[in-house]
Amino acid sequence: DGGITQSPKYLFRKEGQNVTLSCEQNLNHDAMYWYRQDPGQGLRLIYYSQIVNDFQKGDIAEGYSVSREKKESFPLTVTSAQKNPTAFYLCASSIRQGYPNTEAFFGQGTRLTVV
Amino acid sequence: AQSVSQHNHHVILSEAASLELGCNYSYGGTVNLFWYVQYPGQHLQLLLKYFSGDPLVKGIKGFEAEFIKSKFSFNLRKPSVQWSDTAEYFCASLNTGFQKLVFGTGTRLLVSP
Repeated sequence: DGGITQSPKYLFRKEGQNVTLSCEQNLNHDAMYWYRQDPGQGLRLIYYSQIVNDFQKGDIAEGYSVSREKKESFPLTVTSAQKNPTAFYLCASSIRQGYPNTEAFFGQGTRLTVV
Repeated sequence: AQSVSQHNHHVILSEAASLELGCNYSYGGTVNLFWYVQYPGQHLQLLLKYFSGDPLVKGIKGFEAEFIKSKFSFNLRKPSVQWSDTAEYFCASLNTGFQKLVFGTGTRLLVSP
């Protein structure tokens, strides 16, 4: 089945530690995204990537880092610099511009809790 | 800067009432527009999308939206809601140049039976 897989579903982290969230897609999509979802704030864009080896900061990139070494993978690292990391994180992908269908497909999300 | 505004944060309706959720986007260039829905405990699903052409687009489950370029709006409508429409609804815009996809803050819809 084609889709987006985020792992783990639940993640606990101690304060001061870095943690990496996994996002893998087998849809052959070029563009990938990371969002943070908090109650009442909708989905806020953290980072996005149009193609392999390229990514751009979104609206709330501070305290996060990403890499895009492979087309199918876009891991997100939540660093100790992120002041309020407890949240629900969503990964998405879409076919790049130029194709007729550019809707984004979402993973099931990772709920990160800092303890 | 590219942004999306949803002015209705919480909406409560009775079954069979009509629904209209507002969405305004700020980017002046070429955008694609979307409405997504998140049912309780489920992941985001696409309701409908606008790329070009007819400004009135129809989606799944009887939803439709109208793109009004002069008002930078893309409001979601449904003539008669059902209890099963209880969910959170998100409007989104895609900057086709930079492939940046931005969401609004969402509207929580509660439909009472």
